[in-house]
Amino acid sequence: EDKVVQSPLSLVVHEGDTVTLNCSYEVTNFRSLLWYKQEKKAPTFLFMLTSSGIEKKSGRLSSILDKKELFSILNITATQTGDSAVYLCAVESGGSNYKLTFGKGTLLTVNP
Amino acid sequence: KAGVTQTPRYLIKTRGQQVTLSCSPISGHRSVSWYQQTPGQGLQFLFEYFSETQRNKGNFPGRFSGRQFSNSRSEMNVSTLELGDSALYLCASSFATGWVTDTQYFGPGTRLTVL
Repeated sequence: EDKVVQSPLSLVVHEGDTVTLNCSYEVTNFRSLLWYKQEKKAPTFLFMLTSSGIEKKSGRLSSILDKKELFSILNITATQTGDSAVYLCAVESGGSNYKLTFGKGTLLTVNP
Repeated sequence: KAGVTQTPRYLIKTRGQQVTLSCSPISGHRSVSWYQQTPGQGLQFLFEYFSETQRNKGNFPGRFSGRQFSNSRSEMNVSTLELGDSALYLCASSFATGWVTDTQYFGPGTRLTVL
């Protein structure tokens, strides 16, 4: 059974701190790993990673994938209160068993 | 470009009833996936449709079914509702042709409450 595990489950930091969120996975026929941000509504897409060692960057957020060790990290630098959300990691598996398996998420709270 | 839309946004039903939820994907997107989100289980994959065909199904009982129309709009049906079916049902669409995957964009969800 495909499995995606995120850690920590929750995190409280102060504005300006840097945070690292972790995602490890065990799936059959890996295709890609995705990060989403979910506030009080539907998840919004952040990154899609398919290759090891290539960092994806968007403003203060960055992410990298290690396909050998089967994990990914999401970094947020200089955190702001608007970064408070649940961050979801999902792994896409293809072939004849296409699906998206989500982790339980990391609840990030950024205090002023 | 308009986003993914889902109707209704909120729904209250009683045990034993059935419910149909609707999802309209982003224009040009042919793949539609459905997910159930609950506080305990998180986001769980229900099924995915592409060109009116169900390509894959998650581990949900047969009470959960779906279909996709020629315009890529999709409906999800849950029969004989149980209390545990109370959840946020999310629909996501992507361009995904054949086995090529693409980023999924989520709709706002339908909040189903079963009393």
